[in-house]
Amino acid sequence: EVQLLESGGDLVQPGGSLRLSCVASGLTFSSYAMSWVRQAPGKGLEWVSGISGSGGGTYYAESVKGRFTISRDDSRNTLYLQMNTLRAEDTAVYYCAKRQYRNSGYLDYWGQGILVTVSS
Amino acid sequence: DIQMTQSPSSLSASVGDRVTITCRASQGISNSLAWFQQIPGKAPKSLIYAASTLQSGVPSKFSGSGSGTDFTLTISSLQPEDSATYYCQQYNSYPLTFGGGTKVEIK
Repeated sequence: EVQLLESGGDLVQPGGSLRLSCVASGLTFSSYAMSWVRQAPGKGLEWVSGISGSGGGTYYAESVKGRFTISRDDSRNTLYLQMNTLRAEDTAVYYCAKRQYRNSGYLDYWGQGILVTVSS
Repeated sequence: DIQMTQSPSSLSASVGDRVTITCRASQGISNSLAWFQQIPGKAPKSLIYAASTLQSGVPSKFSGSGSGTDFTLTISSLQPEDSATYYCQQYNSYPLTFGGGTKVEIK
């Protein structure tokens, strides 16, 4: 059974940094593209960033480009999201999600989500 | 970027009703369209992918159709446990984009 478990969420001040982690189990992690999706309180889903199965391709929403960095450590079955220069509007539940294939496909498995709060 | 427009944004229907939600892409995405169900406080759950393929374990009362730019999600007989928000999402190209969501309530 595929399981994704996020960690690293916290309360952080505007301008601060945070790194989220997502540990995957029940799959050959290196074979799949992964993404981060967030949901601000009371709002809809927003895709944030994605990385290919090989790690060679990384992709970002305009709203986080230049501030967030996605990466993966296939030896640890772990996906990361380094978030810098955080803003109040980055406050959200962050989900990691697995894509169906190495470089494409829909988001077939999701973690339970982790809350990031940006506030002074 | 591909914009996904969902309608309606909310609906209220009775148990047993047939419910249809539509999703329109701003450009053609072939059949690279997924539907998700989200209950408050929970992670999204995939229902349908490739526009019309039912995710394993999802009841057959859910069905999807469409290709290109216009898609629909149908719940054939609405039940209390279907009260949730439903999202469409295109995965044809980055950035992946979601519709605004449809909140389904039971009368």
